[in-house]
Amino acid sequence: AQKVTQAQTEISVVEKEDVTLDCVYETRDTTYYLFWYKQPPSGELVFLIRRNSFDEQNEISGRYSWNFQKSTSSFNFTITASQVVDSAVYFCALSEGNRGSTLGRLYFGRGTQLTVWP
Amino acid sequence: EAQVTQNPRYLITVTGKKLTVTCSQNMNHEYMSWYRQDPGLGLRQIYYSMNVEVTDKGDVPEGYKVSRKEKRNFPLILESPSPNQTSLYFCASSFRTSGETQYFGPGTRLLVL
Repeated sequence: AQKVTQAQTEISVVEKEDVTLDCVYETRDTTYYLFWYKQPPSGELVFLIRRNSFDEQNEISGRYSWNFQKSTSSFNFTITASQVVDSAVYFCALSEGNRGSTLGRLYFGRGTQLTVWP
Repeated sequence: EAQVTQNPRYLITVTGKKLTVTCSQNMNHEYMSWYRQDPGLGLRQIYYSMNVEVTDKGDVPEGYKVSRKEKRNFPLILESPSPNQTSLYFCASSFRTSGETQYFGPGTRLLVL
């Protein structure tokens, strides 16, 4: 079973629309970390946010916001007033706690391709 | 500038011709890892290393080798590449503590004919 599920394979919006990218994760650890990465058309992976399992506060950074809900094992990402430059593939990832061989392992979802049309 | 570098960035080769993709980081990170990215599959871990001389298999290690002789370098070796190893490869590094952010290299696009 996948540890991280991004059910939306592709999303298309028109500029200035708000868009939410879903991420659902699965873990038995009580300590874990969640990440979002952006992969623009140029191909590099850009780190966006890291959140630990003990911090359920939502976070806002400019037009980006993240909603972490342990009750539903979700860590959703919202872009407000989307722009063409937001077009990219977005990956959600999970890192589990301190157990020996899994230390540092990063499990990625399959990504959501976001296209923002002008 | 703190960074992870990979070389080459693009490579076309033929089946069976051994190749090495280098990865180097200048952040004194203990943890390094290789991933491959394929359409519709996201990123999958190939091998990782928690420190010098310590390596372990990830989810898709078949057909790959790695070594970690120095802290900063973590080369990926394809002894006998096959077309199914055509992919986009990323190297990443981080400090060796739980939940540390992994920083990724720019990627290497490999085509095996």
